[in-house]
Amino acid sequence: GDSVTQMEGPVTLSEEAFLTINCTYTATGYPSLFWYVQYPGEGLQLLLKATKADDKGSNKGFEATYRKETTSFHLEKGSVQVSDSAVYFCALSETGANSKLTFGKGITLSVRP
Amino acid sequence: DTGVSQDPRHKITKRGQNVTFRCDPISEHNRLYWYRQTLGQGPEFLTYFQNEAQLEKSRLLSDRFSAERPKGSFSTLEIQRTEQGDSAMYLCASSLVSRNYGYTFGSGTRLTVV
Repeated sequence: GDSVTQMEGPVTLSEEAFLTINCTYTATGYPSLFWYVQYPGEGLQLLLKATKADDKGSNKGFEATYRKETTSFHLEKGSVQVSDSAVYFCALSETGANSKLTFGKGITLSVRP
Repeated sequence: DTGVSQDPRHKITKRGQNVTFRCDPISEHNRLYWYRQTLGQGPEFLTYFQNEAQLEKSRLLSDRFSAERPKGSFSTLEIQRTEQGDSAMYLCASSLVSRNYGYTFGSGTRLTVV
């Protein structure tokens, strides 16, 4: 079945540091890929998505590129802020953004001033 | 638009009791989803509806679990004869199929079975 693997956390960075959070997936077809973020005390929010190979999703300074050859969708940000402290989940869907999602375990990011 | 609302926010129940959770989606959204999230894990899919029709159920949804969306608006998730292993955060989300924007999640109902 489908699965998503995220790097182990937590991750602690200083403000303005470069961020990479790794995500790899296993799927039978050509899934759509997502990053969701959960800020403290809030519900999960869609951060960015990509629907086909080589697509780059971007939002709020975060980027992720759909790499079919390595089955990866790593999240990057050039300069993190304290306000980026949250839990980040990688997810996939076999049939688009409005269908069942398979999530990774999530990773907690803490950014210190 | 007040987002996706879930009630209650927290529920503590004794093992063997029945519990029911409610989800009110964004009014124009026609799909509604239920997920379960345990500590340190990502959300796991339980079921989803399009309007009032339940289109898919996970194997996680044992016969003690039932979900309804009677008029295609709010939804309820009932757990009968609760077990300690049912302790989790139950998340509801909604989306509009015609727009590929993805889900809007609620803040969840945290269930603790003692």
